Amino acid sequence: QQQVKQSPQSLIVQKGGISIINCAYENTAFDYFPWYQQFPGKGPALLIAIRPDVSEKKEGRFTISFNKSAKQFSLHIMDSQPGDSATYFCAASAGANNLFFGTGTRLTVIP
Amino acid sequence: KAGVTQTPRYLIKTRGQQVTLSCSPISGHRSVSWYQQTPGQGLQFLFEYFSETQRNKGNFPGRFSGRQFSNSRSEMNVSTLELGDSALYLCASSLSLGRGFNEQFFGPGTRLTVL
Repeated sequence: QQQVKQSPQSLIVQKGGISIINCAYENTAFDYFPWYQQFPGKGPALLIAIRPDVSEKKEGRFTISFNKSAKQFSLHIMDSQPGDSATYFCAASAGANNLFFGTGTRLTVIP
Repeated sequence: KAGVTQTPRYLIKTRGQQVTLSCSPISGHRSVSWYQQTPGQGLQFLFEYFSETQRNKGNFPGRFSGRQFSNSRSEMNVSTLELGDSALYLCASSLSLGRGFNEQFFGPGTRLTVL
């Protein structure tokens, strides 16, 4: 059973556009929600993370929106660039060093 | 500071064989976690080691095992390989200073192919 559901599976965005990836979870014990970026041949790299006591967190062009009551969170990439083309994973953790990952979103930013 | 290193990067084995993968964490990091990445199942947590002890375990059969050495380096072993074990095996290290989640830094992974 997938503990974190992620959509869409793939996303194509024009350069300068906004990329939006959504995730949902059921386990209310989750208390840490990171997003990872993975390029081909590389391991995932932490992009940005949020805790459930905050509704939004912004770092540069990347913003996480968090809706605790709906048990949903999303990643917004503003002014998307071709260099952002990668696979993005949302994840969740319940107070331990093990992550439950979403299924991933392959983002392609067209120049 | 050097990142997480994993060896070997690529490995080809046949069904029934066993395999050992190695992970060297970032200097000073005491926690090492292992994940399996496949196209069908995505990224799944295998286990975490901290101070040479298994601290957390995912839902994988006993054929998957690991250990951690006193220098925090870790190995994972898969015995009696099956075709479905073909995957990218990722190692992640963290400082693990206190309770709760600590940022994990991933290595490039070991690509295992089982024929």
